[in-house]
Amino acid sequence: DAGVIQSPRHEVTEMGQEVTLRCKPISGHNSLFWYRQTMMRGLELLIYFNNNVPIDDSGMPEDRFSAKMPNASFSTLKIQPSEPRDSAVYFCASSLRGLDLYEQYFGPGTRLTVT
Amino acid sequence: RKEVEQDPGPFNVPEGATVAFNCTYSNSASQSFFWYRQDCRKEPKLLMSVYSSGNEDGRFTAQLNRASQYISLLIRDSKLSDSATYLCVVNLSNTGKLIFGQGTTLQVKP
Repeated sequence: DAGVIQSPRHEVTEMGQEVTLRCKPISGHNSLFWYRQTMMRGLELLIYFNNNVPIDDSGMPEDRFSAKMPNASFSTLKIQPSEPRDSAVYFCASSLRGLDLYEQYFGPGTRLTVT
Repeated sequence: RKEVEQDPGPFNVPEGATVAFNCTYSNSASQSFFWYRQDCRKEPKLLMSVYSSGNEDGRFTAQLNRASQYISLLIRDSKLSDSATYLCVVNLSNTGKLIFGQGTTLQVKP
């Protein structure tokens, strides 16, 4: 099993540019989560999908952030326009609902730096 | 008030020591509880679930006190490889949505 795959692993961009982060969940998992991690705020849930449908996007910081899940094997998180305060590690995680424990499997993360 | 609160540490202990981490959660409707481990510059990974009756996995023991809304993790006979950040995690409802604490950093020294 390849695990959760994220790309790119590192992204450096200038303020105002569009950034697209990509995630491929574990095959067969039906829930997908996008998190952001910073030293100051820790790990924050941005949005999550169940069966490709967004369930809770209350953690999305503002309209500059958007996420899509066009099919069960792919999701994107887009920031447009990016700002320096968006610099963080963005994790994607997936899980299989129906299990008692809701274990989430995280991808390796995308380290985003906005200058 | 944060939904899940932990002492950030760091906890610096010698090899072989016993160390305990505590965590409190604010929502009494929380249903499931976990400890995740995160190594430096890596992704979080599930360490163990926390059951109402308490549970043990080798050197690790987790306890839950629903009345006090308190979770603990005990590590016995600490190893250098235990050095990491330990995240207390709560599932608020039957949604699969997890709330992570800020984490407690452990550094085990030789």
